[in-house]
Amino acid sequence: EIVMTQSPATLSVSPGDRATLSCRASQTVTSKLAWYQQKPGQVPRLLINGASARASGVPARFSGSGSGTEFTLTISSLQSEDVAVYYCQQYYIRPFTFGGGTKVEI
Amino acid sequence: EVQLVESGGGLEQPGGSLRLSCAASGFTFSDYSMNWVRQAPGKGLEWISYISSSSSITYYAASVKGRFTISRDNAKNSLFLQMNNLRAEDSAVYYCAKDNRPREISGYDYWGQGTLVTVSS
Repeated sequence: EIVMTQSPATLSVSPGDRATLSCRASQTVTSKLAWYQQKPGQVPRLLINGASARASGVPARFSGSGSGTEFTLTISSLQSEDVAVYYCQQYYIRPFTFGGGTKVEI
Repeated sequence: EVQLVESGGGLEQPGGSLRLSCAASGFTFSDYSMNWVRQAPGKGLEWISYISSSSSITYYAASVKGRFTISRDNAKNSLFLQMNNLRAEDSAVYYCAKDNRPREISGYDYWGQGTLVTVSS
């Protein structure tokens, strides 16, 4: 099983600042990686597919990068509505494992 | 508008069974692979099962393999999860989730609202 490790567990960022979230895979997942946002009490929302492709309707301040085992989700200018837990998921090899999440707070 | 609506959750005793359903609308259901993902209270996301668009391929997480069975009825735009021999650790909100791309494993662009399963005596 591929283990997905996200860091940090919690990230405190001031409004307007950049937030950088990391996701590491225990073995290569090529570019088969997705990022999700889950706000309190809500369903997860797809942000990034294929490591770097923004999903439909996702603001341009969200960007994904990386391949192989190291991935990054960047929020270029944090807004108050971006407070959420962010998860990465690999879909290269089953089981399609999720990371433990990074909580972003203001 | 894409909609996924789960049903069938509830309180069940350890060792019991439940059958979850997910009614899909707003897209060509038969073109997309589907998944079940669960989330225990206050915990992260756990992928548990995948089914291809034609039902020819199914995958399971080790935690549920041999106890859970995923299936679908493309004629009725429905996805199912038969859950047998339930354990306390199966207690979670269960989401059905649609693959983003047709006939290709990808991220999940639509999720249902979830159905709560509680396993307790």
